[in-house]
Amino acid sequence: QLLEQSPQFLSIQEGENLTVYCNSSSVFSSLQWYRQEPGEGPVLLIALYKAGELTSNGRLTAQFGITRKDSFLNISASIPSDVGIYFCAGYSYNFNKFYFGSGTKLNVKP
Amino acid sequence: EPEVTQTPSHQVTQMGQEVILRCVPISNHLYFYWYRQILGQKVEFLVSFYNNEISEKSEIFDDQFSVERPDGSNFTLKIRSTKLEDSAMYFCASSIGTVELLSGANVLTFGAGSRLTVL
Repeated sequence: QLLEQSPQFLSIQEGENLTVYCNSSSVFSSLQWYRQEPGEGPVLLIALYKAGELTSNGRLTAQFGITRKDSFLNISASIPSDVGIYFCAGYSYNFNKFYFGSGTKLNVKP
Repeated sequence: EPEVTQTPSHQVTQMGQEVILRCVPISNHLYFYWYRQILGQKVEFLVSFYNNEISEKSEIFDDQFSVERPDGSNFTLKIRSTKLEDSAMYFCASSIGTVELLSGANVLTFGAGSRLTVL
């Protein structure tokens, strides 16, 4: 159950919007987005549970695909403190297992 | 806010030595995990633990690795004879887990990690 995440790296100017994508050939029970700051563990940003679900958390918006195989995370009006690595993670209820994408490293230039 | 705590934050050891990494998961969580992250790479699953036994383990989790929950609060990862390639950040995570997929269920809370350096 491979999760492909794109892009791998993103360098943008402060104030710009960005979108990170997560795709799989497998169906997931839940799709989650985590952010990892340097030297820290990943922290949950958004969790999606229903097919097609669109959820916002401040400047972050994420959607779970209708087929439950893909998702995107959008960050609007980026700020320097948004830097970090963003991971998507698919959760399989049947296997009680989380599958992580390879991560998107974000740099925001002031 | 409840958190997962890990100790030590950094451990340096000689190749072949035994290492124990400790974690205190969130008290009402039922599922416990160890993940590994080699510098700059993705988060890799090692093992999951539920009801005092391993529920699943990855190919990485070979006979050199073991986990236990000795006292109902701590959750430990032991590496019996460390190798150079074991150098990585090791993250403990816990999940409350529920039968149904409710909002807030089946998400991971990670600790800050233990950096292991094998020389």
